Amino acid sequence: QQQVKQSPQSLIVQKGGISIINCAYENTAFDYFPWYQQFPGKGPALLIAIRPDVSEKKEGRFTISFNKSAKQFSLHIMDSQPGDSATYFCAASIGTNAGKSTFGDGTTLTVKP
Amino acid sequence: NAGVTQTPKFQVLKTGQSMTLQCAQDMNHNSMYWYRQDPGMGLRLIYYSASEGTTDKGEVPNGYNVSRLNKREFSLRLESAAPSQTSVYFCASSEYEGGEQFFGPGTRLTVL
Repeated sequence: QQQVKQSPQSLIVQKGGISIINCAYENTAFDYFPWYQQFPGKGPALLIAIRPDVSEKKEGRFTISFNKSAKQFSLHIMDSQPGDSATYFCAASIGTNAGKSTFGDGTTLTVKP
Repeated sequence: NAGVTQTPKFQVLKTGQSMTLQCAQDMNHNSMYWYRQDPGMGLRLIYYSASEGTTDKGEVPNGYNVSRLNKREFSLRLESAAPSQTSVYFCASSEYEGGEQFFGPGTRLTVL
């Protein structure tokens, strides 16, 4: 049973546009929601993360929106750039229990110049 | 600081062969993790070590064993490789269990 569902699987956006990736979770015990960015041939790297006590977190062009009642969270990339082309993973975990973390299947983002 | 290093970068095995994937971190992190990544799928946790001297199973532990050799090193062993274990393996570490994870560059393993 997949606990975090991510969509879309792939996304193509024009330079300067807004990229939006969505994730939905099932386990209401999740309390930490990070997003990872992965470039080809590299390991994932933490991009931005949110806890359920806030509805939005912004870091530069990257924003996480969190809807606790709907059990959904999303990543918005404003003014998307070709350098943002990568695979993005959402994840969810329970406190400090590493065994209770799960990742979405990933979204491959292509930003066209 | 090198961060998290993994060896080897690439490996081809025949079915039934064994091998050990090595991982080391120089950030003095307490927790370390092994994941596998398959096409179209996210990362799946194989094993983790919350602290030196402890290891626990993750989501997909069958066919693997781990050793937390010391605080720096965490190895993953395939005793009898199977084609289903063809994957990219990532090691990660965090200052504490559940904290921000830092990933290594990965090992691409093919089992024929």
